[in-house]
Amino acid sequence: AQSVTQPDIHITVSEGASLELRCNYSYGATPYLFWYVQSPGQGLQLLLKYFSGDTLVQGIKGFEAEFKRSQSSFNLRKPSVHWSDAAEYFCAVGVGSNDYKLSFGAGTTVTVRA
Amino acid sequence: GAGVSQSPSNKVTEKGKDVELRCDPISGHTALYWYRQSLGQGLEFLIYFQGNSAPDKSGLPSDRFSAERTGGSVSTLTIQRTQQEDSAVYLCASSQSVNTEAFFGQGTRLTVV
Repeated sequence: AQSVTQPDIHITVSEGASLELRCNYSYGATPYLFWYVQSPGQGLQLLLKYFSGDTLVQGIKGFEAEFKRSQSSFNLRKPSVHWSDAAEYFCAVGVGSNDYKLSFGAGTTVTVRA
Repeated sequence: GAGVSQSPSNKVTEKGKDVELRCDPISGHTALYWYRQSLGQGLEFLIYFQGNSAPDKSGLPSDRFSAERTGGSVSTLTIQRTQQEDSAVYLCASSQSVNTEAFFGQGTRLTVV
């Protein structure tokens, strides 16, 4: 079964600084990869997804992620964070057209300081 | 509706009582998912519906949990004889088909006292 690891439970970053959130997955083939964001009191919102093709994926809110097959990673990045980026971020993996289960990591909480 | 709607948003219940959680997916979405989010944990997959059928119920944590979906739309997750460990946020999501973007509701926060 696939699994998703987000090594960082909590990250604090200054407003305007860059942000990188790590995600590693365990699966033999190329999975479908997603990043979701959950703001306080809100539901989960899709930031971006990777199915195939260009390994650098652009998402909403200025986020991007890069799929690295050799490292089994799909790290999320933003060059300059805004206070509104304070939220919890979840990496998720789906593994095929017949597998409907999205497996989620435990999440990374991002705090933005002024 | 415009998004996935879940009700109630909050539910406090006594241990041993039954609860029903409702999910109203986006109109036209054939796939519907239930997840559970416990404090400090990721999202735990519970069950998935394609239309009215649930091909895989293996994510349900015990036989106290059941779910149904009628008319290819609204789904109800029922927890019988609730226990304190059932306290969590229960999230529902829907998508047009398998492996397309899943849209999440805001969840039902269940507290068992």
